[in-house]
Amino acid sequence: KQEVTQIPAALSVPEGENLVLNCSFTDSAIYNLQWFRQDPGKGLTSLLLIQSSQREQTSGRLNASLDKSSGRSTLYIAASQPGDSATYLCAAISGGYQKVTFGTGTKLQVIP
Amino acid sequence: DAGITQSPRHKVTETGTPVTLRCHQTENHRYMYWYRQDPGHGLRLIHYSYGVKDTDKGEVSDGYSVSRSKTEDFLLTLESATSSQTSVYFCAISETSGPDTQYFGPGTRLTVL
Repeated sequence: KQEVTQIPAALSVPEGENLVLNCSFTDSAIYNLQWFRQDPGKGLTSLLLIQSSQREQTSGRLNASLDKSSGRSTLYIAASQPGDSATYLCAAISGGYQKVTFGTGTKLQVIP
Repeated sequence: DAGITQSPRHKVTETGTPVTLRCHQTENHRYMYWYRQDPGHGLRLIHYSYGVKDTDKGEVSDGYSVSRSKTEDFLLTLESATSSQTSVYFCAISETSGPDTQYFGPGTRLTVL
């Protein structure tokens, strides 16, 4: 059974700092790895999706990498801003979306 | 934002009562999903649908049933609500079964007393 772990559970950084969020998964036979953002009381917003054949994806200040062999993905946020404060979730997808396993998230606070 | 709405957004009910949550989409996507989100567990798939009248169970389907009579609507029913079903419920849609992006609704907070 796939297990997805995100450490740390919470992170507080000063504005402008570069930071890395970690996601690890136990079964490397995944189709893709997806990072989401969740704001309080809201649904999830997809940030980046990395297919199994890819090593990384970039969108603006965000860069996500995937290393299937080690069972790890990282989300790099450059020059953090208070608006980046949210919970970040990763999800490992093995097959169709009926086989998706979410991590429990990292709650990020960026202090002005 | 993808056109997904959930109703109600908040509900408080008592143990043993039936509850139906509705997910409505305007994107004409084939696949629809119901998740629950609980502290310490992340999101877990309850049921999903791959077309009108086509549904299947997810990881935590016990105590839940679903129906999809139209492309745009996916209903989640708790036949007899229990306190363990207190949770935040999210609906999601996707155009394909993957790899693809899922779009999530705003969630329904359900409290079973």
